[in-house]
Amino acid sequence: GAVVSQHPSRVICKSGTSVKIECRSLDFQATTMFWYRQFPKQSLMLMATSNEGSKATYEQGVEKDKFLINHASLTLSTLTVTSAHPEDSSFYICSARGRARTDTQYFGPGTRLTVL
Amino acid sequence: AQSVTQLGSHVSVSEGALVLLRCNYSSSVPPYLFWYVQYPNQGLQLLLKYTTGATLVKGINGFEAEFKKSETSFHLTKPSAHMSDAAEYFCAVSEGPFSGGYNKLIFGAGTRLAVHP
Repeated sequence: GAVVSQHPSRVICKSGTSVKIECRSLDFQATTMFWYRQFPKQSLMLMATSNEGSKATYEQGVEKDKFLINHASLTLSTLTVTSAHPEDSSFYICSARGRARTDTQYFGPGTRLTVL
Repeated sequence: AQSVTQLGSHVSVSEGALVLLRCNYSSSVPPYLFWYVQYPNQGLQLLLKYTTGATLVKGINGFEAEFKKSETSFHLTKPSAHMSDAAEYFCAVSEGPFSGGYNKLIFGAGTRLAVHP
């Protein structure tokens, strides 16, 4: 299947700093990318959906000013956690889908964020 | 609105035994249904999906699932469990391409499968 990468795989930062997470589709053009958050031993919660060249659509309860999403190209989307706090510590997973709405979502390996 | 319920947060089977992971969904439109597997500290891997057509879907690693509209179910099965099957399994639903939106996936809470020798 298609390959989606995330970088970094693990990041530790101090409270108040910003952290950028990259999500790349390596062998296909990802028209749509999704960002999920997963708390320990829980399911994935969709945070936002981004389409290349458009503003992201955020799910209810997700602060758009805190979780900045940029989808500038068909192979790259970034999630920036601004002014991170310990409660932002989580596992962040992206997924990418091709042009057709019937295309499968392919998931990245995830990024473990720890805010001290 | 769509939702997914996975019965049993933990399932334990012996190696070689049948694996049955239960998933029921709620959807006001014809659903697309998925099963994903997650190994520790990794992302999700697609096991199989149902979109249209044949209701019995075969996936990777010997897994299969059957879409039963009358029961709003999409249970995952494997005839013989292997130690390597131990992982977290997520059932998910989306609206499909003919509804509005971007095929958002709604996930169940997950079922942790343990396989004992």
